[in-house]
Amino acid sequence: GAVVSQHPSWVICKSGTSVKIECRSLDFQATTMFWYRQFPKQSLMLMATSNEGSKATYEQGVEKDKFLINHASLTLSTLTVTSAHPEDSSFYICSARAGTSGVYNEQFFGPGTRLTVL
Amino acid sequence: QKEVEQNSGPLSVPEGAIASLNCTYSDRGSQSFFWYRQYSGKSPELIMFIYSNGDKEDGRFTAQLNKASQYVSLLIRDSQPSDSATYLCAVNVVGTYKYIFGTGTRLKVLA
Repeated sequence: GAVVSQHPSWVICKSGTSVKIECRSLDFQATTMFWYRQFPKQSLMLMATSNEGSKATYEQGVEKDKFLINHASLTLSTLTVTSAHPEDSSFYICSARAGTSGVYNEQFFGPGTRLTVL
Repeated sequence: QKEVEQNSGPLSVPEGAIASLNCTYSDRGSQSFFWYRQYSGKSPELIMFIYSNGDKEDGRFTAQLNKASQYVSLLIRDSQPSDSATYLCAVNVVGTYKYIFGTGTRLKVLA
């Protein structure tokens, strides 16, 4: 149980284009989803937290107009990188928290999406 | 600024030895602590979590938590080459569902 998928697993795009990444919880309802970014040899940096049906909360320094997050249902969140540039090339990972996680606040991670912007 | 710190390594241990990984955190009110393993190019996978002082064992892994000293550690017994990976410590941010991740410790188990 507690499987999270991401699509696509990798994407290459031209500078200036927009890219959408999907994150789905396959066997549970995710009341909260998180989006992380990881640059080579660095740790995971939280970009934003999204709750179903409400606006995402972005971490300091993350441009909300550039990284659009939509959490339309309890099993799907999307991250759209708008007008992507080479510096946006990174490994994007989503995670999901089940409503039944309780005090442990366990997050289940998707397999990640590697974005390369040319 | 809430912080989670780990030694970046690499930590090299011979096969069959015990690997000891440490993590310190700054927020004294933190309640939940997680250890993840991340292979190169892959997403993190949960090894175990701990929320009470003391030891928690799961197979070859033992997590140790000392809230007074604000550190959490992970012991890996009978280390195997397949354990070679980066180990990430994550701490729940008090009052939220968010994690703060440490920078990770790279472990190399030598055959």
